Amino acid sequence: GQQVQQSPASLVLQEGENAELQCNFSTSLNSMQWFYQRPGGSLVSLFYNPSGTKQSGRLTSTTVIKERRSSLHISSSQTTDSGTYLCAMEPGYQNFYFGKGTSLTVIP
Amino acid sequence: ETAVFQTPNYHVTQVGNEVSFNCKQTLGHDTMYWYKQDSKKLLKIMFSYNNKQLIVNETVPRRFSPQSSDKAHLNLRIKSVEPEDSAVYLCASSWGTGGYTQYFGPGTRLLVL
Repeated sequence: GQQVQQSPASLVLQEGENAELQCNFSTSLNSMQWFYQRPGGSLVSLFYNPSGTKQSGRLTSTTVIKERRSSLHISSSQTTDSGTYLCAMEPGYQNFYFGKGTSLTVIP
Repeated sequence: ETAVFQTPNYHVTQVGNEVSFNCKQTLGHDTMYWYKQDSKKLLKIMFSYNNKQLIVNETVPRRFSPQSSDKAHLNLRIKSVEPEDSAVYLCASSWGTGGYTQYFGPGTRLLVL
């Protein structure tokens, strides 16, 4: 079965609104990462966050290991935030599982 | 700034042909990866290569093989392509695993006719 579940599958926001993206894991994990994929582009790593809370600008990632979940909060969204957000977990050595992603569209 | 380079950007070929995709990283990383992203955008790891140790995802068909000349290069060879191989192939690198950020190339889009 799917190791990584992401929700929502897609999200449309008005510019300035906040977004909360969720990632749930079916097994215990060594590490997890959040990535951003531009439309038609490559992936950019946003956070490595196996536990706790990390913040970078308008982005905040919170991982709760014992509950096997991680969230990505985007505050004051901008049109340039549009794209796909992917989470990935590493349950063991050099073995990664990605979620299907959340497609975010921010309209002006 | 791009530090993981992939060629070609796009490749169209016929069923049964052999193809090879190149990946080079200029970050000095010691671990490189190949991922496949299908039409539904799901990313799956195919290979990881670290200090001459190759780890293969067991679901990867045997017609796929990675080729490395040094730690900065990890190419992907497909011996006899099938229609289901149509996808975007992404190369990545990192300092290691277990918490190191991965840096991705722009991808190679393969279309098998």
